[in-house]
Amino acid sequence: AQSVAQPEDQVNVAEGNPLTVKCTYSVSGNPYLFWYVQYPNRGLQFLLKYITGDNLVKGSYGFEAEFNKSQTSFHLKKPSALVSDSALYFCAVSYGGATNKLIFGTGTLLAVQP
Amino acid sequence: AAGVIQSPRHLIKEKRETATLKCYPIPRHDTVYWYQQGPGQDPQFLISFYEKMQSDKGSIPDRFSAQQFSDYHSELNMSSLELGDSALYFCASSFYTDTQYFGPGTRLTVL
Repeated sequence: AQSVAQPEDQVNVAEGNPLTVKCTYSVSGNPYLFWYVQYPNRGLQFLLKYITGDNLVKGSYGFEAEFNKSQTSFHLKKPSALVSDSALYFCAVSYGGATNKLIFGTGTLLAVQP
Repeated sequence: AAGVIQSPRHLIKEKRETATLKCYPIPRHDTVYWYQQGPGQDPQFLISFYEKMQSDKGSIPDRFSAQQFSDYHSELNMSSLELGDSALYFCASSFYTDTQYFGPGTRLTVL
């Protein structure tokens, strides 16, 4: 069965330090991988995606993610965290095509301390 | 840029009542998805439509139905509401199977 795991419920980082939010997936075939961010009482905002090609994907607000097929991981990274990055981050996977539904991880709360 | 519009933003209903949630996709997007996010939970896929036809179905209760209209907007109809239906309901739209963009959500509270 398809699944996405975000092993950390919460990640704490000081402002200005690099951040990593982890995601691993367990799916067959060639999945599409996504990161979305959710601010309190707001919808999900698209950050970036990996479909094919370069394993390092750059997205919005300075975020990037690296697709690692051998480790089945798609970790989200940012070189220098901002307090305004504090939010709930969801990793998601889909297969595209007719079954394009997103399967989400359980989310990781990122807390950036000033 | 235009975003996905959902209405209403908040809805309070009594048990056993009926609710209708509306979703207006980004212009030129032909695919609509509905997700349900319970408190402290990740979003769960309910149903999707492509070109006004149902394209996929997830864990949507039989009490719920949905459709996509000729102008591509979609409505999620929920009947015999239960306390457990209280959640945030998101609509997302895409151009075919491209990236899904989410609306702000409708927060449904069932009393």
